[in-house]
Amino acid sequence: DAGVTQSPTHLIKTRGQQVTLRCSPKSGHDTVSWYQQALGQGPQFIFQYYEEEERQRGNFPDRFSGHQFPNYSSELNVNALLLGDSALYLCASSLGPPNEQFFGPGTRLTVL
Amino acid sequence: QKEVEQNSGPLSVPEGAIASLNCTYSDRGSQSFFWYRQYSGKSPELIMFIYSNDDKEDGRFTAQLNKASQYVSLLIRDSQPSDSATYLCAVRPNSGGSNYKLTFGKGTLLTVNP
Repeated sequence: DAGVTQSPTHLIKTRGQQVTLRCSPKSGHDTVSWYQQALGQGPQFIFQYYEEEERQRGNFPDRFSGHQFPNYSSELNVNALLLGDSALYLCASSLGPPNEQFFGPGTRLTVL
Repeated sequence: QKEVEQNSGPLSVPEGAIASLNCTYSDRGSQSFFWYRQYSGKSPELIMFIYSNDDKEDGRFTAQLNKASQYVSLLIRDSQPSDSATYLCAVRPNSGGSNYKLTFGKGTLLTVNP
């Protein structure tokens, strides 16, 4: 039973660049949520996708956008990168929005 | 007031002891509560979830919820060095509407000493 997968594992970008992170949900799951985890902090909710629509959004600027595909996989895009965007980006999947969320391994983004 | 608060620790216990981790939350209408374990450099792993005021037990882990006092706790019996990790408490708000995001505390670092 395949768990949540994310790519790439690590990424280094410079300020002002754009980045795309990818997530494939656990087999059978249809909902994907994205979180940002800064060092020493708990994960912060970015947004959730269900039925290819953004269902809920956290307190993140419009530079953060996403997409969900018909196969339930998802992308997170961040434009105009700032140093403060350096963090571990986590994707979590669930069977429907209300249910338990399971995290992928994360993508470590470093902005120089 | 922070939405979900945890003592950052570190909480240090000897091997075989009971580790007690606590979490308080501010939204009185919160319905669902989760405990995740996160090893250094890894992603969070769901270990327990609880929805009612009854204790919930799973192996060496027991989750306790007290909605009146707005706190959740996780007890780890017979602690092992492999339990050494950061434990994250997550809360999901009132199930009314479509608010399904998880709000996390900063986590408590647990160290189990052999």
